[in-house]
Amino acid sequence: GAGVSQSPSNKVTEKGKDVELRCDPISGHTALYWYRQSLGQGLEFLIYFQGNSAPDKSGLPSDRFSAERTGGSVSTLTIQRTQQEDSAVYLCASSLVSGISYEQYFGPGTRLTVT
Amino acid sequence: TQLLEQSPQFLSIQEGENLTVYCNSSSVFSSLQWYRQEPGEGPVLLVTVVTGGEVKKLKRLTFQFGDARKDSSLHITAAQPGDTGLYLCAGHNAGGTSYGKLTFGQGTILTVHP
Repeated sequence: GAGVSQSPSNKVTEKGKDVELRCDPISGHTALYWYRQSLGQGLEFLIYFQGNSAPDKSGLPSDRFSAERTGGSVSTLTIQRTQQEDSAVYLCASSLVSGISYEQYFGPGTRLTVT
Repeated sequence: TQLLEQSPQFLSIQEGENLTVYCNSSSVFSSLQWYRQEPGEGPVLLVTVVTGGEVKKLKRLTFQFGDARKDSSLHITAAQPGDTGLYLCAGHNAGGTSYGKLTFGQGTILTVHP
C-alpha cells in the first residue's frame, strides 16, 4: 500500500536522551502534519509543512522540539533532552493541497515512552 | 484560537442502541471531518462535510453539518461492537495563516457491548 508510514513504531528512551521520529507521507502529498496524542485523547497539533517550509510551528511545546522536511517528502521530528511528559503517541499525516477540505491521511504513529 | 467541543467524552452502550456524538464551536469552519481511531492505529477519515445543513450517510452512520457551519453531529443507528473506537471531529478553516491546519475535538470513546 501507499499510505503514510512512520518509524519506529515504538521507542523507549531514557530521560535526557534525544530521539528522532520519521514520517514518510503519501507520494504526491505536499502538506505534512505532526500531532501528539495522549492516551485516549484528541490530537494536539505540533507543526505543519507545506513542501519543505513550515508556515505554522505554533504547536511545538518547547524549543526542545524541532522538525524538518527534505525534498518535499520525508519528515523528521526531533525531541532533544527528552522528559517524561514527552511520552505520547506521535502521529504524522499528509494531505493534498487542493479544494477546501484538506482531508488528512494518518500514519500508525510512534509510541514514545520516556523512562 | 478555534476550539471544537466534542461530547460526550465517553459513551458505553449495548449492541443495537442508537447514539449521537456532538461537535460544537463558536467558530465557522470551511469544512468538518469525522475520523475513527482504533487502538494502535492512526485516525481514519470517515467523512467530510462542507456545506451548511449537509447530511451524509455512511451505512448506519449519519453525519450532519450545522447550517452555520459551526457544529456537527454523528449519529449511529443500531450500534455494533465493531463500531467501538475513538471518534474525532476536526474542523478546517480555509482562511488565515492556519491554512491546511485542522482543529480537532478531544474525542469520544465509544464502547459497544455485545
